[in-house]
Amino acid sequence: DAKTTQPTSMDCAEGRAANLPCNHSTISGNEYVYWYRQIHSQGPQYIIHGLKNNETNEMASLIITEDRKSSTLILPHATLRDTAVYYCIVRGSNQAGTALIFGKGTTLSVSS
Amino acid sequence: NAGVTQTPKFRILKIGQSMTLQCAQDMNHNYMYWYRQDPGMGLKLIYYSVGAGITDKGEVPNGYNVSRSTTEDFPLRLELAAPSQTSVYFCASSYSRTSVGETQYFGPGTRLLVL
Repeated sequence: DAKTTQPTSMDCAEGRAANLPCNHSTISGNEYVYWYRQIHSQGPQYIIHGLKNNETNEMASLIITEDRKSSTLILPHATLRDTAVYYCIVRGSNQAGTALIFGKGTTLSVSS
Repeated sequence: NAGVTQTPKFRILKIGQSMTLQCAQDMNHNYMYWYRQDPGMGLKLIYYSVGAGITDKGEVPNGYNVSRSTTEDFPLRLELAAPSQTSVYFCASSYSRTSVGETQYFGPGTRLLVL
């Protein structure tokens, strides 16, 4: 897996958008950008992933730069329940059967 | 869909006892995984399976065994439990397509305490 760099922690006010950045400057052409989160004591939760284009689902939006060297996860209206550690992972589809590598991630704290 | 389910949620074992952690998925995924997560640490892969009847070791397989007789179920067996196996165990499943990548979906976890 290509290396990713994320800020250690971020704060966000409830109801505001949370923008979580990730750098992945060594990403290969066939590697996807995945975002997971882990709320304390729970299993990792898949959020979203993309290859080149921006993606949106019911949880979040993923913005990938044109050169694919960085991306931003956007939680449009953060709530207290979004407080978690967020992981940006770069992974190729040919890596099925290998461990998903979670780095240190970004601890997002949402406050009222 | 229930997704990935795990039982039990919590278990206390005495040293030397054995137990089976259950994992099931209803998404018809071919890949299934067992991870463990020690406090404050990342996930480590114990075993994985690419389909019914096929399993392989991950990073930390010692002290564990798995089987995959059906697509849906992937039980993890602990033989002769040791305090070092105190951890939270997560099961995951996925499908893989070149066109969409591989997305792993995780269960809620089993907390195991070995005393």
